[in-house]
Amino acid sequence: SQQGEEDPQALSIQEGENATMNCSYKTSINNLQWYRQNSGRGLVHLILIRSNEREKHSGRLRVTLDTSKKSSSLLITASRAADTASYFCATDAETSGSRLTFGEGTQLTVNP
Amino acid sequence: NAGVTQTPKFRVLKTGQSMTLLCAQDMNHEYMYWYRQDPGMGLRLIHYSVGEGTTAKGEVPDGYNVSRLKKQNFLLGLESAAPSQTSVYFCASKTGQSSREAFFGQGTRLTVV
Repeated sequence: SQQGEEDPQALSIQEGENATMNCSYKTSINNLQWYRQNSGRGLVHLILIRSNEREKHSGRLRVTLDTSKKSSSLLITASRAADTASYFCATDAETSGSRLTFGEGTQLTVNP
Repeated sequence: NAGVTQTPKFRVLKTGQSMTLLCAQDMNHEYMYWYRQDPGMGLRLIHYSVGEGTTAKGEVPDGYNVSRLKKQNFLLGLESAAPSQTSVYFCASKTGQSSREAFFGQGTRLTVV
């Protein structure tokens, strides 16, 4: 079974609103990463948070990590129509020998 | 820099045919991965490699074989294609240093009829 589970599966918001996506995972991790995928394209890395970090920012992105709850959240502030994409969390587990395991993704639609 | 290049981009196979997907990276990365992506399933790891000459099974390895004869290339083979292998296949690579991101190819859309 996959390591990460994301919710919601789909999210539709208006431009300018904030979007929050959540990821839960099962085993201890070295780090957790978020990726973005535009329709029909490859994945692009957004942000990485290490297991000893609790929060990280990059532009309009804010990621939190709660290792006690084995969960992470991605917040996109002041969303734009161009943010419309699928967003995936991926975990690099401690015992995996660098297997990078992905969740099922959240489809975000930002309406202009 | 080309990054990660997958060949071919599209392919239609008949059931029982074989084919090889090629992934090439020019970033001198140690780790390489093959994933498949199906609707509603996210990305599932097929096989991966942590260095030249080494490979390991992922979550869904059955029906696939891989080889990493050169550091820059990671080949995914289907010996006898089945309709259940219809999917979009992604290759990725990353450095062996800890806590670094992966870089993805643009995908290969495979249809088995």
